[in-house]
Amino acid sequence: AQTVTQSQPEMSVQEAETVTLSCTYDTSESDYYLFWYKQPPSRQMILVIRQEAYKQQNATENRFSVNFQKAAKSFSLKISDSQLGDAAMYFCAYRSSGSRLTFGEGTQLTVNP
Amino acid sequence: DAEITQSPRHKITETGRQVTLACHQTWNHNNMFWYRQDLGHGLRLIHYSYGVQDTNKGEVSDGYSVSRSNTEDLPLTLESAASSQTSVYFCASSAAAGGYNEQFFGPGTRLTVL
Repeated sequence: AQTVTQSQPEMSVQEAETVTLSCTYDTSESDYYLFWYKQPPSRQMILVIRQEAYKQQNATENRFSVNFQKAAKSFSLKISDSQLGDAAMYFCAYRSSGSRLTFGEGTQLTVNP
Repeated sequence: DAEITQSPRHKITETGRQVTLACHQTWNHNNMFWYRQDLGHGLRLIHYSYGVQDTNKGEVSDGYSVSRSNTEDLPLTLESAASSQTSVYFCASSAAAGGYNEQFFGPGTRLTVL
């Protein structure tokens, strides 16, 4: 079974600085998808960014980018120019050829003014 | 706009009672999912459905059941609520096509079992 591990239960960053959230996963498959979801205090799950395993180029969405290392099975999220609104729980998730997602335990990000 | 809704948003019940959480989506998605969220565990899959009359067990399905009689709804039933089922429950849906197949989540239901 696939597993997703987020080794940082909590992280903090100063406003306008950069922070990187770590995620590793375990799989024997070669074709899969990876996601980062944000969950603010409202509890709503919001998709931040996604990556297809066969694409070597790292995905970027405005201030959010990933560092995808397929051989190392690592999928970290970098948030640049952090804003107060980025404070949230962040979940890394994996999906193979089926539709089911496997989530990591989450990283609680605090942004300090 | 298409959306996915859950009701109730908050529920308090007693041990041993049957509870049903509703999930309704207007995306016309074939795939629907139920997750529970607990501290230290992220979101864990309870049950899922790939279409009408199709249901499948996830990793934490004991004590829960679902049925899919139409495309829009996937109600989650706790047959005999236990304190261990106190949690936040999320419903999600996605299209059947391949590719990213993004899952869209409902707002969640906070269930407390006393």
